[in-house]
Amino acid sequence: EPEVTQTPSHQVTQMGQEVILRCVPISNHLYFYWYRQILGQKVEFLVSFYNNEISEKSEIFDDQFSVERPDGSNFTLKIRSTKLEDSAMYFCASSENKEDEQFFGPGTRLTVL
Amino acid sequence: AQSVSQHNHHVILSEAASLELGCNYSYGGTVNLFWYVQYPGQHLQLLLKYFSGDPLVKGIKGFEAEFIKSKFSFNLRKPSVQWSDTAEYFCAVNAALYGQNFVFGPGTRLSVLP
Repeated sequence: EPEVTQTPSHQVTQMGQEVILRCVPISNHLYFYWYRQILGQKVEFLVSFYNNEISEKSEIFDDQFSVERPDGSNFTLKIRSTKLEDSAMYFCASSENKEDEQFFGPGTRLTVL
Repeated sequence: AQSVSQHNHHVILSEAASLELGCNYSYGGTVNLFWYVQYPGQHLQLLLKYFSGDPLVKGIKGFEAEFIKSKFSFNLRKPSVQWSDTAEYFCAVNAALYGQNFVFGPGTRLSVLP
């Protein structure tokens, strides 16, 4: 069964450093998403991406965040200058249609020191 | 703005007990409704979904949910839980017409005692 994959599984970085979280969505899916889950809190939407551009973003997704689909398979989330409060689990998801079930990856745990 | 609430933060049950987890959403339009489960150390997996039609939907592992439009609710049920159902359960909503992002509820942690 096809699945969404994410790398790395755990990323530790110093405050102020840039990080890139990588995702490989399911190959025939057209819609891609990033969510985050701060420890003990709910899953929060960050951004959705379709047709090589951002289609929707939340208030959390400020100028320090960016997304890219650098090739036909990867979907990345970049955090330009990490802050302590960026420590969270980051989930990538993809779906075939905009209304349909989203398939989630295993997540990347980001720890900012 | 859409919001999703889940009635219980943590539910503790013994094996074979019946389960009902509450989910309410606030959105006036047509919605798609989902329940996801997150087993310890694993990623979110879809349990079931409702788009239209029969408001009682059946999912994997014996779970079912009922959409009650008048109550803006989508409660998850299972007649007899097992220890392996110990997990975090998330209700999620997206607006049918506009998609795309899910709004998740805060989650309910279910602990099933053997």
